[in-house]
Amino acid sequence: GIQVEQSPPDLILQEGANSTLRCNFSDSVNNLQWFHQNPWGQLINLFYIPSGTKQNGRLSATTVATERYSLLYISSSQTTDSGVYFCAVMIQGGSEKLVFGKGTKLTVNP
Amino acid sequence: DSGVTQTPKHLITATGQRVTLRCSPRSGDLSVYWYQQSLDQGLQFLIQYYNGEERAKGNILERFSAQQFPDLHSELNLSSLELGDSALYFCASSLRTGNGYTFGSGTRLTVV
Repeated sequence: GIQVEQSPPDLILQEGANSTLRCNFSDSVNNLQWFHQNPWGQLINLFYIPSGTKQNGRLSATTVATERYSLLYISSSQTTDSGVYFCAVMIQGGSEKLVFGKGTKLTVNP
Repeated sequence: DSGVTQTPKHLITATGQRVTLRCSPRSGDLSVYWYQQSLDQGLQFLIQYYNGEERAKGNILERFSAQQFPDLHSELNLSSLELGDSALYFCASSLRTGNGYTFGSGTRLTVV
């Protein structure tokens, strides 16, 4: 099946720092989403981005589908950004399930 | 509020028991997906329903079953519960295949 690898697995930042999270996937996809799981367990949809670049406030994401990777940028990080960031993909021509990576655990210290 | 409603938020039950988790999708969404998140397995796809019909099945145990009703809400039934079934169970919905998923806030199941 498709492999979804996220890096780094853990990241510790000071408030105000910038960071880049990476997601590599092993097959062509027709859906890629980034989620943030907050400390209360809620999964928040950040971006639906099968290709191209999108921005939402301090967050932006870029997916290069031809090279099978996606990047999530967090600028001027805040303590509320802490949690686990998941990348999830849906294979082209495959079943309709989203396959999740193992996540990047981000801790932002004040 | 994502628009996907899951109840209950927390559930504690004993081994061998049966529970039902409920999900109401976002208004207009026809697809409902169930996922299990455990510490050792991560987020795993269980099953998908589309407009009342089962559409895709993942690593769902035979002790688990689901259905989607005419009003599009869905229920996940877990029976003969074991300690290892303790997990967060998420429901997600989408309008159609390939669209972005929206997740509910999950049901945290603890089996004691």
